Amino acid sequence: DTAVSQTPKYLVTQMGNDKSIKCEQNLGHDTMYWYKQDSKKFLKIMFSYNNKELIINETVPNRFSPKSPDKAHLNLHINSLELGDSAVYFCASSQSVSADTQYFGPGTRLTVL
Amino acid sequence: KQEVTQIPAALSVPEGENLVLNCSFTDSAIYNLQWFRQDPGKGLTSLLLIQSSQREQTSGRLNASLDKSSGRSTLYIAASQPGDSATYLCAVSGNTPLVFGKGTRLSVIA
Repeated sequence: DTAVSQTPKYLVTQMGNDKSIKCEQNLGHDTMYWYKQDSKKFLKIMFSYNNKELIINETVPNRFSPKSPDKAHLNLHINSLELGDSAVYFCASSQSVSADTQYFGPGTRLTVL
Repeated sequence: KQEVTQIPAALSVPEGENLVLNCSFTDSAIYNLQWFRQDPGKGLTSLLLIQSSQREQTSGRLNASLDKSSGRSTLYIAASQPGDSATYLCAVSGNTPLVFGKGTRLSVIA
């Protein structure tokens, strides 16, 4: 059973389009995260949700809007895609904030043309 | 602002060697430190988590140590195997969200 799953695995789209990436975890965790890994492989947190509430927003452009319909899901919607948004986006979850092991999804490779 | 540095950036060793990967961080006020493994085109797999009150953690051939006061951690891999080839990432959790180093790319040559 996949612990943290993301769809789609690959996403290729044109500049200016709007797209969504979905994430689900079946671990019963309270906290979920979105990370961005750029072309230099540097991994940086974007958002964190705890019990469906936003707790971390790391100066991400407001074109990026996370949505958490329930504790098991954290989706990422991106408006007006730009070339610089091309990256691998990882979803992760942990039992609680900060103190616990984080479990990562397989990633979504977004390419903006 | 927390910064995490990993040295070396890349490492190539023959199979069977023991090796050490290094991680340093600038703010010692951490909750824990995690070591992850990332295979090409894949997500991250958590290897070891050391709480701030702990000095080390072991899992199989892996041993991670933490010296919070000096802002250092090491990941020791014993008897390396080709299957250990991957990028190893260190990350610290504290007053800031999880902050990652840029990783060490390890190649174990058969």
